[in-house]
Amino acid sequence: QVQLLQSGAEVKMPGASVKVSCKASGYSFTTYTISWVRQAPGQGLEWMGWISAFNGDRNYAESLQGRGTMTTDTSTATAYMELRSLRPDDTAVYYCVRDRSGPDAFDLWGQGTMVTVSS
Amino acid sequence: DIQMTQSPSAMSASVGDRVTITCRASQGISDYLAWFQQKPGKVPKRLIFAAFTLHSGVPSRFSGSGSGTEFTLTISSLQPEDFATYYCLQHYTYPYTFGQGTKLEI
Repeated sequence: QVQLLQSGAEVKMPGASVKVSCKASGYSFTTYTISWVRQAPGQGLEWMGWISAFNGDRNYAESLQGRGTMTTDTSTATAYMELRSLRPDDTAVYYCVRDRSGPDAFDLWGQGTMVTVSS
Repeated sequence: DIQMTQSPSAMSASVGDRVTITCRASQGISDYLAWFQQKPGKVPKRLIFAAFTLHSGVPSRFSGSGSGTEFTLTISSLQPEDFATYYCLQHYTYPYTFGQGTKLEI
């Protein structure tokens, strides 16, 4: 079955770090890229960045610069998104999304991981 | 950054209505435009990619059009299950940007 399976919900204190995983199955992991998208409660969708599962190339949104890191492990077909120095406004559902160059992208989404930042 | 201006931000409609949602890009994005549907508490689902190509399994009452800077999503005859929030996404250039969403209510 073609799917992206994400890790479970997290509750973190302000200033802490979180690392969300996204395990791909049912397709060739290195043929695609992974984008990360987040959605704060009651808000719209925000693209956070992109990483190539083939060569590790990446591009981050400005909101992630300096605080976030995207990585992949091709041996386990898993992508990771780490966010450091968490703030309450990082509270959101985080999605990994299968992406690729060209117009046919964003076709497969993970189930989402709720990250709550609260003291 | 490319701004995606989606309109309307919310609308009411009835079953059987024809509905059109528009996304305007602040600069040309070719056909790198996708539409998503999201229901409360659920994962977004892709409806349309490449501006007008229907995602597999999506009912034919959904259609997309446009290129360059102006794009539309049309639902030809609303069904009860279509009441949701719709988002456009440009993935032509970084940073990718979503429209702010259109909440479609009964």
